[in-house]
Amino acid sequence: DAGVIQSPRHEVTEMGQEVTLRCKPISGHDYLFWYRQTMMRGLELLIYFNNNVPIDDSGMPEDRFSAKMPNASFSTLKIQPSEPRDSAVYFCASSSRGHPLLGYTFGSGTRLTVV
Amino acid sequence: GQSLEQPSEVTAVEGAIVQINCTYQTSGFYGLSWYQQHDGGAPTFLSYNGLDGLEETGRFSSFLSRSDSYGYLLLQELQMKDSASYFCAVRDSNYQLIWGAGTKLIIKP
Repeated sequence: DAGVIQSPRHEVTEMGQEVTLRCKPISGHDYLFWYRQTMMRGLELLIYFNNNVPIDDSGMPEDRFSAKMPNASFSTLKIQPSEPRDSAVYFCASSSRGHPLLGYTFGSGTRLTVV
Repeated sequence: GQSLEQPSEVTAVEGAIVQINCTYQTSGFYGLSWYQQHDGGAPTFLSYNGLDGLEETGRFSSFLSRSDSYGYLLLQELQMKDSASYFCAVRDSNYQLIWGAGTKLIIKP
C-alpha cells in the first residue's frame, strides 16, 4: 500500500482565497482524521470520520473550515476564505478500529502558508 | 479535563539510554501509544500498550501502569537518527487519540 496520500505538499495562497486540501486514506481503514499542527498549539484534531460519516467536528476552528468524505478513498478539507492565522501543517491520518496495534498512519502533510 | 503530561525536552548522549515519561488524566482509557516525529516529517506510530507491562520492539520499549496512569518510552543504544519529537497519546472511549505536547529528544555525540 502507498500509505496515506495528501496533496498538495505545499500551498502558498493569498488571504481571502479558497484552499482545498486532499487526502486518500489507506484502503480498508474505516477512520480518517484531519489534524493541524503549529509550534504554538501543537497537534490539533480538526475533524474525524468513521465509515465516511463525520463523527466529531468540534475541533474545526470556525465556519470557514469544512470537510467532506464522499467515499471511502477520498476526503477534502476546505478553507474559505483563508487567513494568515490558518498557516500550519495539515495532516490527514487513517486507521482501522480492528487493528489498534497498528496505530494511526499519517500522510506527509500539507504545509499551508497564507500571506 | 483531559490532559497528558510529558517533558518538553530531553537531552542524551549517543549510545546511551533515555526514558521519556508520560502521565495522563483522561475520561476514558483504551491504550497508550507513542509516536515519533522528525523535523519536517509526519508522526509515525511506534508502539501501543493496552495492558500493564513492557512492550519491546528492537531498541525501543514502552511501559504502562494503568493504576498509576503512567507510561514511558525507553530508547536504548541511542543513535543520532533518534533525534526527534516523541508524543504519547491516549485512546479514549470515542476511539480518538488525546495527544501530549511532545518531547523533543536532543542527542549529542
